[in-house]
Amino acid sequence: EIVLTQSPGTLSLSPGERATLSCRANQSFSSSYLAWYQQKAGQAPRLLIYGASSRATGIPDRFSGSGPGPDFTLTISRLEPEDFAVYHCQQYGSAPLTFGQGTRLEIK
Amino acid sequence: QVQLQESGPGLVKPSQTLSLTCTVSGDSISSGGYYWSWFRQHPGKGLEWIGYIYYSGNTYYNPSLKSRVAISVDSSKNQFSLKLSSVTAADTAVYYCARDPTGGGNYFDYWGQGTLVTVSS
Repeated sequence: EIVLTQSPGTLSLSPGERATLSCRANQSFSSSYLAWYQQKAGQAPRLLIYGASSRATGIPDRFSGSGPGPDFTLTISRLEPEDFAVYHCQQYGSAPLTFGQGTRLEIK
Repeated sequence: QVQLQESGPGLVKPSQTLSLTCTVSGDSISSGGYYWSWFRQHPGKGLEWIGYIYYSGNTYYNPSLKSRVAISVDSSKNQFSLKLSSVTAADTAVYYCARDPTGGGNYFDYWGQGTLVTVSS
């Protein structure tokens, strides 16, 4: 199965700064078949990005994704207070579906 | 607005079967075009895909759990269900249901709030 490694494990930034989160696959899979989710404490994941770079409905344009693999990036251009959360990447290019371990974005 | 809601016992004894139901509102499971899925998240860990089902009853499971998992659908109640047998403490997790809008087992746009299931005697 595809193993996704997210880095860094924790990212400490201030509102207004730019965040760059990485997701690396241990092997190739169908290109661009990667999604990103945001999860706040006690809440369900929220779909942000699919197809590596397409924003889901209602997602602000400060969120952007890039690929193709095996290295994918989620960028938040200017952090808002509500952006501090855990971010997960998920691949759907190779069965079974797998997720990274998450990156925690915390307020510095 | 599509909503999903998990329900079921929050405590299950070791070796027993965990049973959860996901009730869908704002959409019809039988309308087709979507996969309906189960996930879990161990405390402080990442997400794990368990499996998904199409309205026709076709299922796909994570090989790591396949021998213990069964997902079924009840279109008349607009629900789908998860059964996980022979549970151990390692199955303690928050369980989520979700919808794949693509019908291809890809990504997931609507999620339930999750329900914590603890395996303990």
